[in-house]
Amino acid sequence: DAGVTQSPTHLIKTRGQHVTLRCSPISGHKSVSWYQQVLGQGPQFIFQYYEKEERGRGNFPDRFSARQFPNYSSELNVNALLLGDSALYLCASSPNPGTGGFNEQFFGPGTRLTVL
Amino acid sequence: AQKITQTQPGMFVQEKEAVTLDCTYDTSDPSYGLFWYKQPSSGEMIFLIYQGSYDQQNATEGRYSLNFQKARKSANLVISASQLGDSAMYFCAMRGFQGGSEKLVFGKGMKLTVNP
Repeated sequence: DAGVTQSPTHLIKTRGQHVTLRCSPISGHKSVSWYQQVLGQGPQFIFQYYEKEERGRGNFPDRFSARQFPNYSSELNVNALLLGDSALYLCASSPNPGTGGFNEQFFGPGTRLTVL
Repeated sequence: AQKITQTQPGMFVQEKEAVTLDCTYDTSDPSYGLFWYKQPSSGEMIFLIYQGSYDQQNATEGRYSLNFQKARKSANLVISASQLGDSAMYFCAMRGFQGGSEKLVFGKGMKLTVNP
């Protein structure tokens, strides 16, 4: 079975530009979460989507937005890019969030964004 | 709020030796889950092991075991018989809830290097 896929693998943008990152969850998983991992740090939660609705967001500015499509794939959009947005963006899928207990999030390989 | 602390920036271990990676956590929730992930240089987060706060026994998964000391709020990962392929970043994480979302709260990670 295919795991979580993300595209593109790498991306270089300049300040002020807009970027769209894409994620396809594991088949059957209805929840997608996005994380930002700055170099030398652990991943930071950005968004979680479940059944096409936003379940919650982390402490990120409104320049960050996301959506989930009927096939449960997801896009993360970042407007007005800043140098500090350079990071590895990870997508994770899970089957049924919020049920407590063990609920593994399966991560994709990430998109490495560089803002110049 | 949940917090994960990993104070070891890096460790070196000889192949075939055991190694312990430290993790302490803080939460006010009576029910919580703790995870360990491995992140090789490729970037993908690989799930290793999970410990639920009400689990009576320490979790084990092959060469990985979790030394869970609830009173001390520690969840150290023990890797037995280290292999060269174990060289990677290791992250301790806790399941947290923000609004209606379920998220992982990660520590800063630590770099493990296995020497031949």
